[in-house]
Amino acid sequence: QSVLTQPPSVSAAPGQRVTISCSGSSFNIGNNYVSWYQQFPGTAPKLLIYENNKRPSGIPDRFSGSKSGTSATLGITGLQTGDEADYYCGTWDVSLSAVVFGGGTKLTVL
Amino acid sequence: EVQLVESGGGLVQPGGSLRLSCAASGFTFSTYWMSWVRQAPGKGLEWVASIMQDGSEKYFVDSVKGRFTISRDNAKNSLYLQMNTLRAEDTAVYFCARDLPSCYGGSCSWGHDAFDVWGQGTMVTVSS
Repeated sequence: QSVLTQPPSVSAAPGQRVTISCSGSSFNIGNNYVSWYQQFPGTAPKLLIYENNKRPSGIPDRFSGSKSGTSATLGITGLQTGDEADYYCGTWDVSLSAVVFGGGTKLTVL
Repeated sequence: EVQLVESGGGLVQPGGSLRLSCAASGFTFSTYWMSWVRQAPGKGLEWVASIMQDGSEKYFVDSVKGRFTISRDNAKNSLYLQMNTLRAEDTAVYFCARDLPSCYGGSCSWGHDAFDVWGQGTMVTVSS
């Protein structure tokens, strides 16, 4: 059972918008920045969003992040088949003194 | 090019030991916190351990405390994970990752909330 809760899967049609939620507590999301990662099968995770809503260089603005209270959300607009991947949220948990990740969400672009 | 390359994975019997290495290049290794993150087959990401720039501060996930040690050699731009008393549940791909600091006005802090560079991973299989 992950400390951060994500839906196991989401799906949407090409061109549409999808959101992936990440729910935590005051010990983690509520008091720390949230990051988001994209992972394709057999490859390393890639940082998509850091500090709740910032994109590293090279990440298109189709990807966005937000945080409210103890929850965070990843948004992807203009869905492409190439966006099919697993997405993870992560942050620091002050009570555990540990980095915690969500269980991951598999995105299917129908 | 900023790069992390892991090595040292393999098949080991339960109760055995293994030492993973991560070679860093393309950035000033000694100025970054570094971490290990693992992923069991078909499962999600699990953070394992992190180490401060000079090695004086370390954090571990509860499940590996007392069994795993994280260390670094800044002169060799290398990160290590010594894994002892290995269990079947330690079977995973182990990734080396660089912590991303939060920087404002020329000052940076380390919240351990993001990893911006990842290695390709090395597989560790614990089985008899």
